[in-house]
Amino acid sequence: GAGVSQTPSNKVTEKGKYVELRCDPISGHTALYWYRQSLGQGPEFLIYFQGTGAADDSGLPNDRFFAVRPEGSVSTLKIQRTERGDSAVYLCASSSRVQETQYFGPGTRLLVL
Amino acid sequence: DQQVKQNSPSLSVQEGRISILNCDYTNSMFDYFLWYKKYPAEGPTFLISISSIKDKNEDGRFTVFLNKSAKHLSLHIVPSQPGDSAVYFCAASDDSGGSNYKLTFGKGTLLTVNP
Repeated sequence: GAGVSQTPSNKVTEKGKYVELRCDPISGHTALYWYRQSLGQGPEFLIYFQGTGAADDSGLPNDRFFAVRPEGSVSTLKIQRTERGDSAVYLCASSSRVQETQYFGPGTRLLVL
Repeated sequence: DQQVKQNSPSLSVQEGRISILNCDYTNSMFDYFLWYKKYPAEGPTFLISISSIKDKNEDGRFTVFLNKSAKHLSLHIVPSQPGDSAVYFCAASDDSGGSNYKLTFGKGTLLTVNP
């Protein structure tokens, strides 16, 4: 079956612009996660959704970052007033339930000029 | 503050030999550990995991060893194959603390298996 998909695969934007990154989880997976991987680092947790609600957003770096999952499936990570330090690969993962294995998408590579 | 450390950025081994990837952690609340493999331009893929109640878990060519007193785990790949060449991430979570979904990753080790 289809895995986790993320669009776009690459995004180049200018400092100060707004971006949206999309994640389509594996069908039927109720838990969804966002991670950020900066150059030379491992993925860092951003936010976790159980169904439609954000159960833990403690990893979001500041209030420029926001994520939604309105129908409990597709999720969008939104970044306002982008900064050069936001440049990273944004990874999405999903699992059938919260304690189950997390399956990752290929990521969106964001470059802020 | 790096709670999960992979001190070897890279490792090179010959095909057929054993690959040993190491990982150390500092957070004593971690009680569930995972290894993920990542190829270029792909997301991390789950490989194997181990709970803190065990000291060894085996799946085919892959074995993970956990030494809780030393806060150290290792991944053994025997025999190594060229297709195993990838970045390997060690990850940990606090399973009993209610935040088992929050994986903390190391920086990764690039494994190269030479034919």
